[in-house]
Amino acid sequence: ETGVTQSPTHLIKTRGQQVTLRCSSQSGHNTVSWYQQALGQGPQFIFQYYREEENGRGNFPPRFSGLQFPNYSSELNVNALELDDSALYLCASSLRIGGVSYNEQFFGPGTRLTVL
Amino acid sequence: AQTVTQSQPEMSVQEAETVTLSCTYDTSENNYYLFWYKQPPSRQMILVIRQEAYKQQNATENRFSVNFQKAAKSFSLKISDSQLGDTAMYFCAFMKLQPSYGQNFVFGPGTRLSVLP
Repeated sequence: ETGVTQSPTHLIKTRGQQVTLRCSSQSGHNTVSWYQQALGQGPQFIFQYYREEENGRGNFPPRFSGLQFPNYSSELNVNALELDDSALYLCASSLRIGGVSYNEQFFGPGTRLTVL
Repeated sequence: AQTVTQSQPEMSVQEAETVTLSCTYDTSENNYYLFWYKQPPSRQMILVIRQEAYKQQNATENRFSVNFQKAAKSFSLKISDSQLGDTAMYFCAFMKLQPSYGQNFVFGPGTRLSVLP
């Protein structure tokens, strides 16, 4: 069973640029969530995808967007990067069956984004 | 909306001793899961223990156990025989059993635990 993987591990961008982060969900999982974690703080929910559709969104501006693909992998895109976007971005996958959460969220190792 | 509170930003414990981390939550849901996750400096979020709200019996995993008080909406984590490798941020988390549109998984702010030699 393959765990959740994320790429890249680290990324450095400058203000105003765009970035795409990628996540492969654990085998068999159909739900992917993205979180932003600033240093020393808890993860903040960005959005969740279930069966390729956005299933919920946190308090993040529209320049944060995402996709989920038929194989349930996912991308997080951030446009017009700001200094405050510097953070660890975590992806988590889980399984939903018949409208019920089957298990906990399994987390990837994260992508560390630094915006200069 | 669900909220999760951890009132202890930092704690420390001597190696081999026992420590309890506190967590309270607020929800109108009747069916849900509660979790404790550990995030060491390596930053990988690791599940420590899970509790289904419909189960009255407190979950245990080796040295880790919880005290789940559903009526009080309290979910504390006890770590026995603390080890240096237990040093990490600990997050309490809530998840709806029947997710709807919106945030179905909520983290607390975390407790930084240091195990001292």
